[in-house]
Amino acid sequence: DTEVTQTPKHLVMGMTNKKSLKCEQHMGHRAMYWYKQKAKKPPELMFVYSYEKLSINESVPSRFSPECPNSSLLNLHLHALQPEDSALYLCASSQDPTSGDTQYFGPGTRLTVL
Amino acid sequence: DAKTTQPNSMESNEEEPVHLPCNHSTISGTDYIHWYRQLPSQGPEYVIHGLTSNVNNRMASLAIAEDRKSSTLILHRATLRDAAVYYCILSFRDDKIIFGKGTRLHILP
Repeated sequence: DTEVTQTPKHLVMGMTNKKSLKCEQHMGHRAMYWYKQKAKKPPELMFVYSYEKLSINESVPSRFSPECPNSSLLNLHLHALQPEDSALYLCASSQDPTSGDTQYFGPGTRLTVL
Repeated sequence: DAKTTQPNSMESNEEEPVHLPCNHSTISGTDYIHWYRQLPSQGPEYVIHGLTSNVNNRMASLAIAEDRKSSTLILHRATLRDAAVYYCILSFRDDKIIFGKGTRLHILP
């Protein structure tokens, strides 16, 4: 099973709302990633978790708060977002965070901020 | 970080081979060359990777120039389902994938 699942598929939220995106993998991977992708642009890395610890934060605003409750789960908590944060949010995982392993991506959550 | 250069878009006829080029003139000796593709409304998926020698798998072939400053992804017989954005990526620094702009491949029936 090489599947990364993400929920919800679509999310519409207001600027004052608090919501969370969820990502799950059962491949035993020890690295998990959040990417942001705007329309017609390549994905951009946001966060990397390595062995359940945050190892890379690409200067993401604090209104995005990642969480890794266990090795299979990755959450992205959203609060006070702006309309320009509307994008496709992709989760990925890889087996070994230090060896440049293949990353497996989920289908993404399409977020619209009103 | 070493950069890659790809054509913005390419067209190919269905059931014909497709050669997708990538230039990476600043590649270092330890950089792997990875290819991912992103089908419409999906997340990126791994296609193939290599270091120096040409590589084959069930999806594609990767031809790497002798000086490693360029590479070509080869789809041997394109189908409509191969229409996607193809990303050529060098290695992984600090667990990162840095996506370039990619090549949007159109397949003509």
